[in-house]
Amino acid sequence: QKEVEQNSGPLSVPEGAIASLNCTYSDRGSQSFFWYRQYSGKSPELIMFIYSNGDKEDGRFTAQLNKASQYVSLLIRDSQPSDSATYLCAVTKAGANSKLTFGKGITLSVRP
Amino acid sequence: DVKVTQSSRYLVKRTGEKVFLECVQDMDHENMFWYRQDPGLGLRLIYFSYDVKMKEKGDIPEGYSVSREKKERFSLILESASTNQTSMYLCASSFYRVEPQHFGDGTRLSIL
Repeated sequence: QKEVEQNSGPLSVPEGAIASLNCTYSDRGSQSFFWYRQYSGKSPELIMFIYSNGDKEDGRFTAQLNKASQYVSLLIRDSQPSDSATYLCAVTKAGANSKLTFGKGITLSVRP
Repeated sequence: DVKVTQSSRYLVKRTGEKVFLECVQDMDHENMFWYRQDPGLGLRLIYFSYDVKMKEKGDIPEGYSVSREKKERFSLILESASTNQTSMYLCASSFYRVEPQHFGDGTRLSIL
């Protein structure tokens, strides 16, 4: 089982729609969860992080964490063409030498 | 804002050369990381460091070494470059281990 798994995509949504990006993780002791956005040819940029079960909202972005089911999702409301990018889910494992483990990412395309 | 600076955006080297990639952060972060990113394989951790002169292997350390003589600087060394080390190399830093990591702009390295 992959440590952090994202649907391979690509995902295409029309402008103004809600984009839903999902991520599952295998280590039940995982502590912290991050969503990064990466434009083509650029480095990853942090857009959301969540540590507790439930929802966390920041503008048009909502991160949702369900530790019992071991998934974290990112909702993008009112999607814009500028949201077109690859979205990376990242998880820290439990333990003294915790490090970030990334999913392979999902490419989102927002159609005008 | 956190600033993570990588010394080169693009670099072309020849097989067998010793290659140095430099990374500097300006936020007094304890933790620094080196990743490579390849299509279809995602971000993979090469080495990381939680303190000056301290280093730990990541998931793919073979063929690489690192140096951290000062807190703000973390260097990645390709001891004898090979064509399979052609990749995008990304440096990141964070204050706490479970904090979000901040990335530099990346170095696209080509080994001919």
